[in-house]
Amino acid sequence: DAGITQSPRYKITETGRQVTLMCHQTWSHSYMFWYRQDLGHGLRLIYYSAAADITDKGEVPDGYVVSRSKTENFPLTLESATRSQTSVYFCASSLTSGGQETQYFGPGTRLLVL
Amino acid sequence: RKEVEQDPGPFNVPEGATVAFNCTYSNSASQSFFWYRQDCRKEPKLLMSVYSSGNEDGRFTAQLNRASQYISLLIRDSKLSDSATYLCVVNIITGTSYGKLTFGQGTILTVHP
Repeated sequence: DAGITQSPRYKITETGRQVTLMCHQTWSHSYMFWYRQDLGHGLRLIYYSAAADITDKGEVPDGYVVSRSKTENFPLTLESATRSQTSVYFCASSLTSGGQETQYFGPGTRLLVL
Repeated sequence: RKEVEQDPGPFNVPEGATVAFNCTYSNSASQSFFWYRQDCRKEPKLLMSVYSSGNEDGRFTAQLNRASQYISLLIRDSKLSDSATYLCVVNIITGTSYGKLTFGQGTILTVHP
């Protein structure tokens, strides 16, 4: 059982390039999330999705685009990467969104924008 | 003011020590509370949920004080393997929005021999 996976695990790109980070989960969880983690800020929500074809903005959505055509996949695209988007990106999923529901995180993607 | 605030530490304690972390949250609409653990360069993982009556899981005890908007985590008999960053997490449900997890910056714990 693979759980939740992310690819690539490490990525170096240049300013202005488009980058897509992939997230795949095998649990058929309804909810999926993208976070970025930076020193001094902790984990901040970029986008989330309640189900296939339903997405919404989180705390820091500018410069990012998401899609969810299938329940198991939730790719995150940086349309034109900037240095400020250098970060560690975590994808997460949960069965529901309320109460004591646990979010399960992928291993993360470390992105460096030069 | 941050929605969830933690003392970043670091806390450096010897094996066998008892250590306590505190966390405050600002949004009174917060409904669920958690402690996550994050090892260096790894993903966060749920350590334990925090219930109103307080709860214990082995060496770990979590407390919630809704009146003061305060959460705590107590670790007894610290092990080397407890060295990690501990994230205070609050689930805020407002209006029709989904339950949004808000993370504190984390408290770094190092347990030394």
